[in-house]
Amino acid sequence: AQKITQTQPGMFVQEKEAVTLDCTYDTSDPSYGLFWYKQPSSGEMIFLIYQGSYDQQNATEGRYSLNFQKARKSANLVISASQLGDSAMYFCAMREAVYNQGGKLIFGQGTELSVKP
Amino acid sequence: EAGVAQSPRYKIIEKRQSVAFWCNPISGHATLYWYQQILGQGPKLLIQFQNNGVVDDSQLPKDRFSAERLKGVDSTLKIQPAKLEDSAVYLCASSQGKYNEQFFGPGTRLTVL
Repeated sequence: AQKITQTQPGMFVQEKEAVTLDCTYDTSDPSYGLFWYKQPSSGEMIFLIYQGSYDQQNATEGRYSLNFQKARKSANLVISASQLGDSAMYFCAMREAVYNQGGKLIFGQGTELSVKP
Repeated sequence: EAGVAQSPRYKIIEKRQSVAFWCNPISGHATLYWYQQILGQGPKLLIQFQNNGVVDDSQLPKDRFSAERLKGVDSTLKIQPAKLEDSAVYLCASSQGKYNEQFFGPGTRLTVL
């Protein structure tokens, strides 16, 4: 069964420093997608970055990059140059059969990131 | 482009009462999802629609929860009767795109007393 594990309930980082949020996954499907979402205290889920299982390079989106290690089944999120506005819950999610339309997301438990000034 | 709209944003009811949530997806998005997010957990899919057909409702408590998506656009999620454990944020999401990115609405925070 597909599963997402985030082992860090909470993380602290100093403003302007980089931080890595861990995510490991388990699936038997060779075709899947990995996502990271940010959820501020206001509650909306904000899409950050996506990595397909067949993508050769790690995904990057501005200050966000995804450290994809397929053999280890890990998809860690790296946030460079942290900002106070980065303080939020971060969720890793996976969807199997990514090339078919639709498909539910399986979410991890989340990591609460706090950026200190 | 307008995002996913949900209403109401907040709802407080007593157990055994009924409640309904509404979602309007992004225009042109064929796939619509309802997720339940209990405090301190990640969202869990309740039901997925493709146009007006149900794709996945395996985790929907069908004895009390129901959902419909008439005409393949707006959707409503109903709980009848509500239980204390239904207290959660109900998130609606829609998708239609190359990478099937799901866009989420602001959610409805339900408190059952």
